[in-house]
Amino acid sequence: EDQVTQSPEALRLQEGESSSLNCSYTVSGLRGLFWYRQDPGKGPEFLFTLYSAGEEKEKERLKATLTKKESFLHITAPKPEDSATYLCAVQLRSNDYKLSFGAGTTVTVRA
Amino acid sequence: DSGVTQTPKHLITATGQRVTLRCSPRSGDLSVYWYQQSLDQGLQFLIHYYNGEERAKGNILERFSAQQFPDLHSELNLSSLELGDSALYFCASSSSSTASGANVLTFGAGSRLTVL
Repeated sequence: EDQVTQSPEALRLQEGESSSLNCSYTVSGLRGLFWYRQDPGKGPEFLFTLYSAGEEKEKERLKATLTKKESFLHITAPKPEDSATYLCAVQLRSNDYKLSFGAGTTVTVRA
Repeated sequence: DSGVTQTPKHLITATGQRVTLRCSPRSGDLSVYWYQQSLDQGLQFLIHYYNGEERAKGNILERFSAQQFPDLHSELNLSSLELGDSALYFCASSSSSTASGANVLTFGAGSRLTVL
């Protein structure tokens, strides 16, 4: 079953045009929710971990927030170098630490 | 450089063949995870090893197998290859044990497998 759903699939932005990406999850026993950035042909690069509803984390132009059923990744005043696929993943409370990923949102920022 | 080393970077082979992908985790990490990423499927979890022992299995085909060696490097063996096995294969490592906090996975650059 789909545990992690990301929307939209693709997002085209003008430089400086802020927007948000959504990640909804249908799991119980969440250990953590992760955001990764992936450039074409490269491995995912860790951005944030969120643990509980209400938590927020920021890094440069990116801000991640978490509610009980979804997370948002806000991109403020994006630059072309922010173009990438952003992946959301969940890690459950179990004896295993694997991540279950969503399909990703591909962001293209035009100068 | 993430500290996770994968070889080879690219591999082209024919249907029916067998290949081995290798992963060296970050120094100090005991866990190794293998993921498959194809264009239409996204990142799919295959298998997790912790300190030499299999910890969890995902949708890994019976034609695929993996192991983690005493020096903690891991190999993913893919046999009787089919066209549909063409994908990027990623290895990730973490220092997970039985700690209660969430555990960050660090990914390698991947091995791109093309089956012709």
